[in-house]
Amino acid sequence: QSVLTQPPSVSEAPRQRVTISCSGSSSNIGNNAVNWYQQLPGKSPKLLIYYDDLLPSGVSDRFSGSKSGTSASLAISGLQSEDEADYYCAAWDDSLNGYVFGTGTKVTVL
Amino acid sequence: QVQLQESGPGLVKPSGTLSLTCTVSGGSISSSNWWSWVRQPPGKGLEWIAEIYHSGSTNYNPSLKSRVSISVDKSKNQVSLKLSSVTTADTAVYYCAMSTVIVAGTEWFDPWGQGTLVTVSS
Repeated sequence: QSVLTQPPSVSEAPRQRVTISCSGSSSNIGNNAVNWYQQLPGKSPKLLIYYDDLLPSGVSDRFSGSKSGTSASLAISGLQSEDEADYYCAAWDDSLNGYVFGTGTKVTVL
Repeated sequence: QVQLQESGPGLVKPSGTLSLTCTVSGGSISSSNWWSWVRQPPGKGLEWIAEIYHSGSTNYNPSLKSRVSISVDKSKNQVSLKLSSVTTADTAVYYCAMSTVIVAGTEWFDPWGQGTLVTVSS
């Protein structure tokens, strides 16, 4: 049902950089703000990036967001074991008149 | 800071109605925020269900709209969710979250409650 597509998984060694893509359309990413959520194992989702590229207070600046057209990306630099989690992009969809989440990406630190 | 706590039966029979409550503490439900419900089936991704403003304005996921009702109780600082005609596919962890909406199309969820697992089974 998800209208935002993410890769199922990404993995990288500690201290490296990973990028997670989020592909949408003109009715969601192309016209509205993109947000990213981090869900640690067994925990509730947590806001990681809002309004495309803004970091909430307390979120490490190793995380960054960007958007171009109908796609968005989340980058994690200086990868740490504590970053192992599921990551979801999300945005409002004008056609559905509702909020949509991405399919989710599991990040593994090798 | 605002904290959210979901509560309700952990087991619901098929064809029955799922009823959950989200209690807001550390802030007023009548603030300039929306209040949302999101669910996550075991081992699967997140699905937005519905949201409500304290004035009573609502938005629903089109795929669930015919079965969902969301409401607010200002006197108790609570948001409630009802999902009717449930099946095993409605088994999930249900989260409530505070939504910040700057302008239409600019919305994010923060914070989230801890979630409550609801199992649909006979």
